[in-house]
Amino acid sequence: DSGVTQTPKHLITATGQRVTLRCSPRSGDLSVYWYQQSLDQGLQFLIQYYNGEERAKGNILERFSAQQFPDLHSELNLSSLELGDSALYFCASSQGTPEAFFGQGTRLTVV
Amino acid sequence: AQTVTQSQPEMSVQEAETVTLSCTYDTSENNYYLFWYKQPPSRQMILVIRQEAYKQQNATENRFSVNFQKAAKSFSLKISDSQLGDTAMYFCAFMKLSGTYKYIFGTGTRLKVLA
Repeated sequence: DSGVTQTPKHLITATGQRVTLRCSPRSGDLSVYWYQQSLDQGLQFLIQYYNGEERAKGNILERFSAQQFPDLHSELNLSSLELGDSALYFCASSQGTPEAFFGQGTRLTVV
Repeated sequence: AQTVTQSQPEMSVQEAETVTLSCTYDTSENNYYLFWYKQPPSRQMILVIRQEAYKQQNATENRFSVNFQKAAKSFSLKISDSQLGDTAMYFCAFMKLSGTYKYIFGTGTRLKVLA
């Protein structure tokens, strides 16, 4: 158990819909990272938050957004979903050191 | 931009044997970390081993060791005495130490340990 909790574990939704993925980092970790794992793109960095502020952006679509709340949990919002958004979405957290701990991921299926 | 290449999509090894997974990377950075992560069918990303680029000594964690060749930008993982539980997808990852601590992952090698 990494100490990072992601909910839900599985999500099935229709094209055009909007979903929210939730991540609770390890106790004391200020940084939260979101990654997408898909068959065609592999594991890609999406976005990072540090203590409530956006720190870095990767290959995140404009239809996607994230935020980190005062209690340090983070949410990734995916809207206008397309079939190609089906993927495993990971959250990872760290204390600002060069090693992050991953949650078990949310498997998103868009039908 | 940094890239990580894993040229072996799939490998298999007999139980108790030794296997080496290859990884090469490209960067102009001098300060960075390299990692091997394991992803079993449970899909959890598990850190196997970490190497700091400034350290010449190769990292070792029990049955797992790396061969880090900085000049050649090569970072291979050796698994000794392979066990059935080592069956998983293995990802090589790069992290530069300037800016944000984000991982750049390779495409992975699927390892199957045969009984």
